[in-house]
Amino acid sequence: AQKVTQAQTEISVVEKEDVTLDCVYETRDTTYYLFWYKQPPSGELVFLIRRNSFDEQNEISGRYSWNFQKSTSSFNFTITASQVVDSAVYFCALSESTGGSYIPTFGRGTSLIVHP
Amino acid sequence: DTEVTQTPKHLVMGMTNKKSLKCEQHMGHRAMYWYKQKAKKPPELMFVYSYEKLSINESVPSRFSPECPNSSLLNLHLHALQPEDSALYLCASSRGRGQGYEQYFGPGTRLTVT
Repeated sequence: AQKVTQAQTEISVVEKEDVTLDCVYETRDTTYYLFWYKQPPSGELVFLIRRNSFDEQNEISGRYSWNFQKSTSSFNFTITASQVVDSAVYFCALSESTGGSYIPTFGRGTSLIVHP
Repeated sequence: DTEVTQTPKHLVMGMTNKKSLKCEQHMGHRAMYWYKQKAKKPPELMFVYSYEKLSINESVPSRFSPECPNSSLLNLHLHALQPEDSALYLCASSRGRGQGYEQYFGPGTRLTVT
């Protein structure tokens, strides 16, 4: 079973639209970490945000915001007023403790295409 | 500075060649990783080094041989690869293996095996 589910394979929007990328995770641990990474066509994964399981506070960074809800095991990512430069594959990841190590498990990714 | 560098950017090699991929970070991170990524798939973990020691090997075939000469450098030696090994190889680093630290990735090496 997948531990991180990104049900949206591809989303296509027009510039200035708001878009939400969904992430649902599964874990039995009480301590875990959630991440979002962006992978533009150039290939490099760029770290966007890290959240630990004890911090359910939502976060906003410019046009980006994240909604963490433990009750639904979700960590969704919203881009407000999308821009062409936001076009990329976005990965949600979960880190649980495995023998003292926290190694992330990545979701399958959501490809976001923003049209001008 | 949150930069991880990787060389070369592109590599084409035959199945009998021996080549190496290089990765470097100067963030003082103590954990370094190799990932393999096929098109339209998430990164797939290959190896983890912690304090310059191999700590995780995800059952990777022996034709891939990692090496960590010091805390800033990570190599991946390639020998007798197969065409199905063609992929984007990503290096990453983090402050450590514990605490769920975020990873910083390099731009990757696009490997083609002919």
